Amino acid sequence: GDSVTQMEGPVTLSEEAFLTINCTYTATGYPSLFWYVQYPGEGLQLLLKATKADDKGSNKGFEATYRKETTSFHLEKGSVQVSDSAVYFCALSGSNAGGTSYGKLTFGQGTILTVHP
Amino acid sequence: AAGVIQSPRHLIKEKRETATLKCYPIPRHDTVYWYQQGPGQDPQFLISFYEKMQSDKGSIPDRFSAQQFSDYHSELNMSSLELGDSALYFCASSRWGRIYNEQFFGPGTRLTVL
Repeated sequence: GDSVTQMEGPVTLSEEAFLTINCTYTATGYPSLFWYVQYPGEGLQLLLKATKADDKGSNKGFEATYRKETTSFHLEKGSVQVSDSAVYFCALSGSNAGGTSYGKLTFGQGTILTVHP
Repeated sequence: AAGVIQSPRHLIKEKRETATLKCYPIPRHDTVYWYQQGPGQDPQFLISFYEKMQSDKGSIPDRFSAQQFSDYHSELNMSSLELGDSALYFCASSRWGRIYNEQFFGPGTRLTVL
């Protein structure tokens, strides 16, 4: 079945540092890939998405590129802020060759990001 | 913009009791998904509905049932509650048939079973 693997362990950075959170996936067909963010005590918010190979999703300074050859969708940000502290989830939604989504999201384990001033 | 509404936001129940969680999707969204997120864990897909019919089923216990009504809202019914059912339950909605499946999540219902 489909699966998503994120880098293990929390990430702690100083403000303005560079961020990378690794994400790799296993899926049949042509999945869409997502990054969701969860702030303390809140629900999941879609951060960015990519629906086909080589697509780059971007939002609020975050970027991720859909790499089919390495089955990866790593999240990056050039300069993090204290307000970026949250849990980040990589997720996929499987789809068929025609691009129609199968629906449900499969999530990675989540990565806790803490940014210090 | 309207968002997904879930009620109640917090629920405390005793073991073996029953709980009902409600989800109101974004207007014109026809698909609803339910996820369960245990403490420190990733969300796990439970079940989904499209046009009032079950469209997919994940790791939902037999003690749980769900349905989608004519106004597209959905309810998750949980019976014989166990301590392990304590979790955050998310509902998400989307429009079926889109090229990509962008799901919008509600704030969640935090269920505590004592």
